[in-house]
Amino acid sequence: EPEVTQTPSHQVTQMGQEVILRCVPISNHLYFYWYRQILGQKVEFLVSFYNNEISEKSEIFDDQFSVERPDGSNFTLKIRSTKLEDSAMYFCASQRKGAFEQYFGPGTRLTVT
Amino acid sequence: AQKVTQAQTEISVVEKEDVTLDCVYETRDTTYYLFWYKQPPSGELVFLIRRNSFDEQNEISGRYSWNFQKSTSSFNFTITASQVVDSAVYFCALTTAYDGTASKLTFGTGTRLQVTL
Repeated sequence: EPEVTQTPSHQVTQMGQEVILRCVPISNHLYFYWYRQILGQKVEFLVSFYNNEISEKSEIFDDQFSVERPDGSNFTLKIRSTKLEDSAMYFCASQRKGAFEQYFGPGTRLTVT
Repeated sequence: AQKVTQAQTEISVVEKEDVTLDCVYETRDTTYYLFWYKQPPSGELVFLIRRNSFDEQNEISGRYSWNFQKSTSSFNFTITASQVVDSAVYFCALTTAYDGTASKLTFGTGTRLQVTL
């Protein structure tokens, strides 16, 4: 069964460094999302992406964040200058056109020290 | 604005007990979709079920059942004869997507279910 994959599973970085989180959505899906979950808290929406552009973004998704689909398979989230409060689990999700359920990857745990 | 409330933070049951996880939602849209996701200790989010706002039929899948009541804006999830493997955090979520658009999921705060022997 096809699934969303994410790399790395765990990333440790120093404050102020740039990080890129990578996702490979399910191949016939057209809508892509990033969410984050601070430890022990609820899952929060960051950004949605369709047809090579951002569809919607939350107030969390400020100028330090960007997303890109550099080729036909990858979907990346970049944080330019990480802060301690960016430490969280980041989930990528994808969705097929005509469906409404989103399928999530296993997540990348980002630790900013 | 959309909101999902899961008032139960944590529930502990003994194996074989039935347990119901509550979910109450708020939205101004007349067309919306409700979901349950399971987050086991390994951390991934597993899709369990989707319900459309125009379909109030309850659904049963094995030991799992879902009760959708528009009148009370609730979408409750019952596990019958719980098992240790059911131990996880369960999230209820809502979207008001339209076909052809991407739309965010709004999640509740989750209910941690602990099933013990």
